Amino acid sequence: DAKTTQPPSMDCAEGRAANLPCNHSTISGNEYVYWYRQIHSQGPQYIIHGLKNNETNEMASLIITEDRKSSTLILPHATLRDTAVYYCIVRVSNYGGSQGNLIFGKGTKLSVKP
Amino acid sequence: DAMVIQNPRYQVTQFGKPVTLSCSQTLNHNVMYWYQQKSSQAPKLLFHYYDKDFNNEADTPDNFQSRRPNTSFCFLDIRSPGLGDAAMYLCATSRDIHQTYEQYFGPGTRLTVT
Repeated sequence: DAKTTQPPSMDCAEGRAANLPCNHSTISGNEYVYWYRQIHSQGPQYIIHGLKNNETNEMASLIITEDRKSSTLILPHATLRDTAVYYCIVRVSNYGGSQGNLIFGKGTKLSVKP
Repeated sequence: DAMVIQNPRYQVTQFGKPVTLSCSQTLNHNVMYWYQQKSSQAPKLLFHYYDKDFNNEADTPDNFQSRRPNTSFCFLDIRSPGLGDAAMYLCATSRDIHQTYEQYFGPGTRLTVT
């Protein structure tokens, strides 16, 4: 899988948008970008994924650059409960042996402050 | 609510004493995973089952084994725990082999080795 680079930590004010960047400059054409988060003492939680188009769901938006070498996860109105480690993962979507597995990097620790 | 359940949440075992961690799911998903997460590190996949087919990661120590007696349950057996095996163990599921992008995680079992 392509490797990803994320800032180790970020702060965000409550109610403001949180923009979490991820670099994946060696991504292949068939690899998707996935985002998970892990709130303290809980298991990881799926947020969103995309290939090349921007995606939005009830939790967040995912903006992928045209060259696909980087992406940004946007939490439009961050709350204190969004404080977590956010993982950006790149992998082939369909299962194909180990290609289907999630390989977590170090992630970004987002702290939402009142 | 459909979910992934892990019992116990906290487990203490002695050095070298076999221990079994349990995971059950009410999602009726075909794929089940076990991850190890050491303190301040990202989750690391140990192995997974697609239905009854077992898939071991190449670097998973032989000390770790798994059983999946039916769709709902999956067990992680550590035959001779060492101090280095102290970690959070996370169980996850995904619907099907061709839909592995979204994994649902349990809350984890924190294992202490004394």
